[in-house]
Amino acid sequence: DSGVTQTPKHLITATGQRVTLRCSPRSGDLSVYWYQQSLDQGLQFLIQYYNGEERAKGNILERFSAQQFPDLHSELNLSSLELGDSALYFCASSVGAGTTDTQYFGPGTRLTVL
Amino acid sequence: AQKVTQAQTEISVVEKEDVTLDCVYETRDTTYYLFWYKQPPSGELVFLIRRNSFDEQNEISGRYSWNFQKSTSSFNFTITASQVVDSAVYFCALSEKGNTGGFKTIFGAGTRLFVKA
Repeated sequence: DSGVTQTPKHLITATGQRVTLRCSPRSGDLSVYWYQQSLDQGLQFLIQYYNGEERAKGNILERFSAQQFPDLHSELNLSSLELGDSALYFCASSVGAGTTDTQYFGPGTRLTVL
Repeated sequence: AQKVTQAQTEISVVEKEDVTLDCVYETRDTTYYLFWYKQPPSGELVFLIRRNSFDEQNEISGRYSWNFQKSTSSFNFTITASQVVDSAVYFCALSEKGNTGGFKTIFGAGTRLFVKA
């Protein structure tokens, strides 16, 4: 158990809908990262937040947004969902903002868009 | 632009064989980080190692070893005396400085390793 929690574990929804994925980092970690793993695109980095502020942006679509709250949990919002958004979404956390810190991954949220 | 290539899609070995997973990367930055992650059949991602661009020392951790060669832009991973529990997908990744001070990471396509008893 990495100490990173993600909810829900599974999510099934329809095209055009909006969903919110939630991530709670390990105690003491200030950075949260979001990744998407799909059959088509493989594993991709989406975005990183550090202590409430965006620090790095990867291949995140405009239909997707994220935020990190004062209690350091993070939410990834996916809107106008398409079939291709079906994927496993991982959250990771680390103590600091850079890559000198190990990232610990949550179990993932599996999103299925029908 | 960043790129990470794991040319081996699948590798199958018999237990106790040594196996090397290849990773070749492209970057224009002089400061970057390389990683290996393991994703066992259960699906979770496990961090294995991080190496920065200024440290070309090879590393050994138990049965695992990593060979970083800047001259060939490679960061290969060797498992010695493989075990069935090593069966997993292994991802190589490259991190470069992002646009707002943090780092963004790009992953290779992964190499699926099967270790047969």
